[in-house]
Amino acid sequence: EPEVTQTPSHQVTQMGQEVILRCVPISNHLYFYWYRQILGQKVEFLVSFYNNEISEKSEIFDDQFSVERPDGSNFTLKIRSTKLEDSAMYFCASSPQDTQYFGPGTRLTVL
Amino acid sequence: GIQVEQSPPDLILQEGANSTLRCNFSDSVNNLQWFHQNPWGQLINLFYIPSGTKQNGRLSATTVATERYSLLYISSSQTTDSGVYFCAVNDYKLSFGAGTTVTVRA
Repeated sequence: EPEVTQTPSHQVTQMGQEVILRCVPISNHLYFYWYRQILGQKVEFLVSFYNNEISEKSEIFDDQFSVERPDGSNFTLKIRSTKLEDSAMYFCASSPQDTQYFGPGTRLTVL
Repeated sequence: GIQVEQSPPDLILQEGANSTLRCNFSDSVNNLQWFHQNPWGQLINLFYIPSGTKQNGRLSATTVATERYSLLYISSSQTTDSGVYFCAVNDYKLSFGAGTTVTVRA
C-alpha cells in the first residue's frame, strides 16, 4: 500500500539556522499539507497546497515558513532562522480529495 | 474555526475490556477522521467517517453528523491499543481534538 514518506526522521539544528523538511506524498494525490505537533499538545494545521500553490495557511505559518513542490514528487517545508519554539514533530499529509494520509513525521529539535 | 472536543482525556483499561471514546464538534463538517498515535509518534489512520458506522476488526466508529458527534469503540482491548486517539474534522484542513490517552494494562 502506498505511503507518505518523510525525511529526515529526526533533525537537530542550532537556533537561527535554516532547515528543510522533505516529504514524498502518495503519487496520485492532489492535495498536500503540513501539520506540526509540539510535544504533549494537539496536532496543528500549518498549510495546505494544491495545484502548485498555497490554498490555505494558518496564523502559525508566517514569513519564516515556506513550502515548495520542486519536482512533481517531493513536497518541502523550509523554516528560516529557526527558533527554540519551532521544536516539534512536523507531519506531512496528502489526500486524493477527502481522506488525509499522514507521513511518519520529522522530529525537529532546535537548540 | 471549528472546535473539537474529545472525552475522556485519559482512559485506563484492563486488557480485554471495551471502551468508548467521544468526539464532539461545533459545526457541520465535510470529513471526520480518527487516528491512533503510537508510542513512536506516528499518526495511523483508523477511519474516514463523515457519517454512519464503520468497523475494522476490534475497532468501530459511528458519526452522527446532524448531532455533531462521533464515537470510537474499542472492543477486547489489547496492550498494543495503547496510545493517543485523535479525532479530526475537516473543513478542507483538519482540525484536531486534544486526544484521548488510552493505557491498556496486561
